[in-house]
Amino acid sequence: DSGVTQTPKHLITATGQRVTLRCSPRSGDLSVYWYQQSLDQGLQFLIQYYNGEERAKGNILERFSAQQFPDLHSELNLSSLELGDSALYFCASSVGMGERRNEQFFGPGTRLTVL
Amino acid sequence: AQTVTQSQPEMSVQEAETVTLSCTYDTSESDYYLFWYKQPPSRQMILVIRQEAYKQQNATENRFSVNFQKAAKSFSLKISDSQLGDAAMYFCAYRTFTDTSGSRLTFGEGTQLTVNP
Repeated sequence: DSGVTQTPKHLITATGQRVTLRCSPRSGDLSVYWYQQSLDQGLQFLIQYYNGEERAKGNILERFSAQQFPDLHSELNLSSLELGDSALYFCASSVGMGERRNEQFFGPGTRLTVL
Repeated sequence: AQTVTQSQPEMSVQEAETVTLSCTYDTSESDYYLFWYKQPPSRQMILVIRQEAYKQQNATENRFSVNFQKAAKSFSLKISDSQLGDAAMYFCAYRTFTDTSGSRLTFGEGTQLTVNP
């Protein structure tokens, strides 16, 4: 158990819908990262938040957005869902930013299926 | 932009034997981290081993060791005395150390390792 929690574990929805994925980082971790794992794109970085502020963006679609709340949990919002959005979405957390020993710990992931 | 390449989509090994998974990367930076992650059927991402680019000594964690060739931008993972529980997808990953815009991991495509009894 990495200490990172994600809810829900599984999510099945229809095209055009909107969903919210939730992540709680390890106690003391200030950074939260979101990654998408799909058959087409592999594992790719979406976005990073550090202490409530967006710090880095990867290949995140405009239909997707995220935020990190004062209690440091994070939510990833996916809207106007398409079949191709079906994937495993991971959240990871780390203590800080670019420090040398800034290991990322991964949550169990949320499996999203868009029908 | 950094890229990570794993040229072996699938590998297999006999139980108790040794197997080496390959990884190459491309970067213009001199200081960075390299990682191997294991993803078993449960889909959990598990850190296997890490290597700091400025360290010449290859990292070792029990049965897992790396061969880090900085000039060749190569980072292979050797698994000794393979066990059935080693069967998983293995991902090579790169992280910038002094990335002031974030600490993202860039992953390779993965290598599916099968361990035969």
